[in-house]
Amino acid sequence: AAGVIQSPRHLIKEKRETATLKCYPIPRHDTVYWYQQGPGQDPQFLISFYEKMQSDKGSIPDRFSAQQFSDYHSELNMSSLELGDSALYFCASSSGGGGRPFYEQYFGPGTRLTVT
Amino acid sequence: GENVEQHPSTLSVQEGDSAVIKCTYSDSASNYFPWYKQELGKRPQLIIDIRSNVGEKKDQRIAVTLNKTAKHFSLHITETQPEDSAVYFCAAMNTGNQFYFGTGTSLTVIP
Repeated sequence: AAGVIQSPRHLIKEKRETATLKCYPIPRHDTVYWYQQGPGQDPQFLISFYEKMQSDKGSIPDRFSAQQFSDYHSELNMSSLELGDSALYFCASSSGGGGRPFYEQYFGPGTRLTVT
Repeated sequence: GENVEQHPSTLSVQEGDSAVIKCTYSDSASNYFPWYKQELGKRPQLIIDIRSNVGEKKDQRIAVTLNKTAKHFSLHITETQPEDSAVYFCAAMNTGNQFYFGTGTSLTVIP
C-alpha cells in the first residue's frame, strides 16, 4: 500500500540558510501533520493542515512556515536555520480532521536535517 | 493544553515475559489514544489504538487498557520477543485533533 513520502531524506545546511521539506500524504488523505523529533526525544507537534487550510499550530518557530497545496502535498519552509533545528522531521497524514471523525495518523520516513 | 506522562523511561524484560508501559493524561476531553513503536532511526509505527468509548482492546500479543476516570492508559505486551525491542510512545489526541506524545519507553527484550 502507498505510504507517506517525504523528501529529501537527508539534508545538510549551514546556519542562517533556508530549507524546504516536502511531504506527500497517502492517497485520499486530506490532513497532514508535521513533527520535529530531536535526538532521544518524543516527536513534537509543529503544525497541521486539513483541506489546504491550517488546522492547528503547535510549537512551530516563527522562522518556519508551511502550507498544503491543492494536491494535498505539504511543504515545511525553514529559514534562518539554527544549530538547534537539527532534528528528524516527520510528516504524518490521516483521513479526517477539521472537526470530522478522526482516523489514525501514518508517519512518513522522516527527513533528517543537519545544520552545521 | 494536554500533558502526557509516560513510565517507565526504560524497561528490560526477559524473552517470553510481559511488558507493561503506562501513560497518564491531563485533558479529560482527550478521546483517542494511540501507541507507536519506533525502532532506531525509523518512523513511529502505529501498533494499536483505543478510543475513549472503549475500555480495552487486544491485538494478538498487544493489548491496551483505558481508565477514563483515572485518566490513564496502558500498553501490555505478552510473550515478548527480541524484535519487540524498540522505543514505544503513547499519545493522546484532544478535541482539536492535536497529538501530544509521551516521552517514550525504551524496551529491551533480553534473549
